[in-house]
Formats: sequence, C-alpha cells, structure tokens
Amino acid sequence: EPEVTQTPSHQVTQMGQEVILRCVPISNHLYFYWYRQILGQKVEFLVSFYNNEISEKSEIFDDQFSVERPDGSNFTLKIRSTKLEDSAMYFCATSPWPGGDQPQHFGDGTRLSIL
Amino acid sequence: DAKTTQPTSMDCAEGRAANLPCNHSTISGNEYVYWYRQIHSQGPQYIIHGLKNNETNEMASLIITEDRKSSTLILPHATLRDTAVYYCIVRAESGGGADGLTFGKGTHLIIQP
Repeated sequence: EPEVTQTPSHQVTQMGQEVILRCVPISNHLYFYWYRQILGQKVEFLVSFYNNEISEKSEIFDDQFSVERPDGSNFTLKIRSTKLEDSAMYFCATSPWPGGDQPQHFGDGTRLSIL
Repeated sequence: DAKTTQPTSMDCAEGRAANLPCNHSTISGNEYVYWYRQIHSQGPQYIIHGLKNNETNEMASLIITEDRKSSTLILPHATLRDTAVYYCIVRAESGGGADGLTFGKGTHLIIQP
C-alpha cells in the first residue's frame, strides 16, 4: 500500500536555528498538509498546499513557517528561528484531490526536539 | 474545536468486538464522518468514513444513525494491536479538500488480553 514518507524521523536542533522537514507524498496525490502534535496534546492543522500555493492555513502557521515543493517530489516545511515550544511531532498528510470524501493519508512524522 | 464527543477511554477484551461511540449532534447534511486512529506517537491512520449509509471495509464497520447525530465504529475482532487513540472527525463535503482535519482528544481504546 502506498505510503507518505517523512524524513528525518528525529531532528534535534539548537534554539534559533532553521530546520527543514521533508515529506514524499503518495504518487498522484495533489493536496498536501502539515500538522503538528505537541507531546500529550491534540493533533493540530498547520497548512494545506495545492498547485504550489498555500490553500488554507491555521493561526499557528505564522511567518516563522513556510512550505514549498521545490523539486516536484519532496514537500517541505521550513521553520525559521526555532523556539523551545516548536518541539513537537510534525506530520505530513496527502490526498488525491479536494473533497470531503477523500481521506488524508498521514506519514509517521518527524520528532523535532529544540534544545 | 472538533464538533464531536467521544468517551475518554474504553476497554475491550481481545477477540471481542470493540464498539466506539461518537456524538456529532450538530453535523450538517454535507459533512462526512471520519475515523482515524493513532498508535503510540505514529501518524494518524485512516480507518473509514461515511456520509449517510453504513460502511464496511477490511478494518472496521461504521454505523451511522438515521438522524446522523451519532455513529459507532466497530472493530469486529479486536487484537492487542488495536490498542490506540481513536478519533471521530466530521468534515465538510464541498471545498473541504484543502481544509485541515480537526482532531479532538479521541477515545483511548485498550484491548485487554
């Protein structure tokens, strides 16, 4: 069964540094999403992306964050000037096309630890 | 916030059917009911979804009441590997593709040996 692949599985970074999290979507999926889950808390939506543009974003997704699909395969989340509170699991999800009847399929996440 | 209500936790004996309830009394006519689960800190895993009719796949069955205000996820023969947090989520049909899913706290299902 096709999978969403995320790398790295664990990223440790000093506070203030920039990190890039990567996701390889399921082939032929066109919509991409990022979520985060702070330890012990709910899974939270960050942003959705289609046709090289942001479709929707939450209040969490401020100027510190950016997304892109630079090479037509990897979908990336960049976090600038990382803070301690950015420590969380970050999940990528993809779906084939828009519509409430299309499930989003998630990767196994990147654990981001900010020191 | 999520427009669903689920019990915080449930136990089920291994080999038995696990029935997980969900209330979504404010659901709109064009909103789907989705179920996901999360094992440990893995990514949420899609289980099943439905609009009006009951649905079944290789993982589970979804029973939606006629008034659509509640639903039940059924795992027919629970195994220890089904221990996880189960999320019931409502999602709009149109224009919903780009919207993020709203996760609540879910139900922590514990399968007892």
